[in-house]
Amino acid sequence: GAVVSQHPSRVICKSGTSVKIECRSLDFQATTMFWYRQFPKQSLMLMATSNEGSKATYEQGVEKDKFLINHASLTLSTLTVTSAHPEDSSFYICSARDWIKGRGPTDTQYFGPGTRLTVL
Amino acid sequence: ELKVEQNPLFLSMQEGKNYTIYCNYSTTSDRLYWYRQDPGKSLESLFVLLSNGAVKQEGRLMASLDTKARLSTLHITAAVHDLSATYFCACSDRGSTLGRLYFGRGTQLTVWP
Repeated sequence: GAVVSQHPSRVICKSGTSVKIECRSLDFQATTMFWYRQFPKQSLMLMATSNEGSKATYEQGVEKDKFLINHASLTLSTLTVTSAHPEDSSFYICSARDWIKGRGPTDTQYFGPGTRLTVL
Repeated sequence: ELKVEQNPLFLSMQEGKNYTIYCNYSTTSDRLYWYRQDPGKSLESLFVLLSNGAVKQEGRLMASLDTKARLSTLHITAAVHDLSATYFCACSDRGSTLGRLYFGRGTQLTVWP
């Protein structure tokens, strides 16, 4: 089956630094990727939808200058948490929507393994 | 906006027992998904239900969809400890070309001996 990877799986950083998280679709092309954050024992909260070659669509309440998303290719989207603070500590999960040549995007989403961010 | 409600949020059950998790959604949806999440891990896809009356089974889990009632159920048969996890249902928005998912709050299942 399709595989989505995330890197790093775990990161600890100091307050004020920026952290980049990569999301890759390993064996398929993904025109659309989604970024979620999840607090302990809570559901997934969609942060933004990332479309290859265009600007990301952010959910209400999510600061686009704080969470920079770049989807430069059909297999890679990155989320950069700028000037991270302890309240940004969370589990960040990406998902990628499969795309079939000649048919367009499917409705199947594959989830990455997640990135645990801890900001000290 | 499509809203998804799951209940119960917490479920503690003894091994060997049966139980059902319910998932209601607020507006028309064309896809209903069930996922499993183990602590500290990402989501594992369990089922995708595409049409009214759809029923899918995998091992001790069976999922069904009633689009008229806007209800999906995840039925657990003869629970075993390995089923302990958090289960999420999610819907996609029929009107959305982006394919975004709307998640329920999750049901934390604990199966004890």
